[in-house]
Amino acid sequence: DADVTQTPRNRITKTGKRIMLECSQTKGHDRMYWYRQDPGLGLRLIYYSFDVKDINKGEISDGYSVSRQAQAKFSLSLESAIPNQTALYFCATSDDGYQPQHFGDGTRLSIL
Amino acid sequence: AQSVAQPEDQVNVAEGNPLTVKCTYSVSGNPYLFWYVQYPNRGLQFLLKYITGDNLVKGSYGFEAEFNKSQTSFHLKKPSALVSDSALYFCAVRGSFSGGYNKLIFGAGTRLAVHP
Repeated sequence: DADVTQTPRNRITKTGKRIMLECSQTKGHDRMYWYRQDPGLGLRLIYYSFDVKDINKGEISDGYSVSRQAQAKFSLSLESAIPNQTALYFCATSDDGYQPQHFGDGTRLSIL
Repeated sequence: AQSVAQPEDQVNVAEGNPLTVKCTYSVSGNPYLFWYVQYPNRGLQFLLKYITGDNLVKGSYGFEAEFNKSQTSFHLKKPSALVSDSALYFCAVRGSFSGGYNKLIFGAGTRLAVHP
């Protein structure tokens, strides 16, 4: 089984809908991250959490919210989806800021 | 400003030839540098990192990277490319962020195409 699991892997939805992307990990890491990948832009940080009680905005948090339900679970929500949120979304975990991050296989989200 | 630049959108190389994927960075303080690889429909996989020590860092799958402080570069290299190396490669640097937390700053990515 994968260390970092994202569900769903693909989602097509309509403008204005509420969407939740889920991430769970078995690595035992405290730190979890949500990124967005757009062609030619690399990865941009949406939110990060260093433990269950610590959640922080990244560089592009507008239009998104997160919930850290447990050490192993970190979900990303789009309250009212819009077409420019169409992208590939990744969850990642790490031990600390010096260690590599471990990524899930991503959720491809299309908003029509 | 903290940033990472990967000046080539795509690198083409023949199988068996050496490959280089370029990365330059701008960050305050000591740089902590990473290379990741992304295969189709997969997440990023860690290849190697530079924290301190030798300027030549060896990583997974025969890849290595050379840290050059004066040129602020961290180029990824492999002596002999394989078709299976074809993928998207990301350079990242650990930078500072508001609140004192550090985060990874990613380059835009370079697509490596290895031709038989």
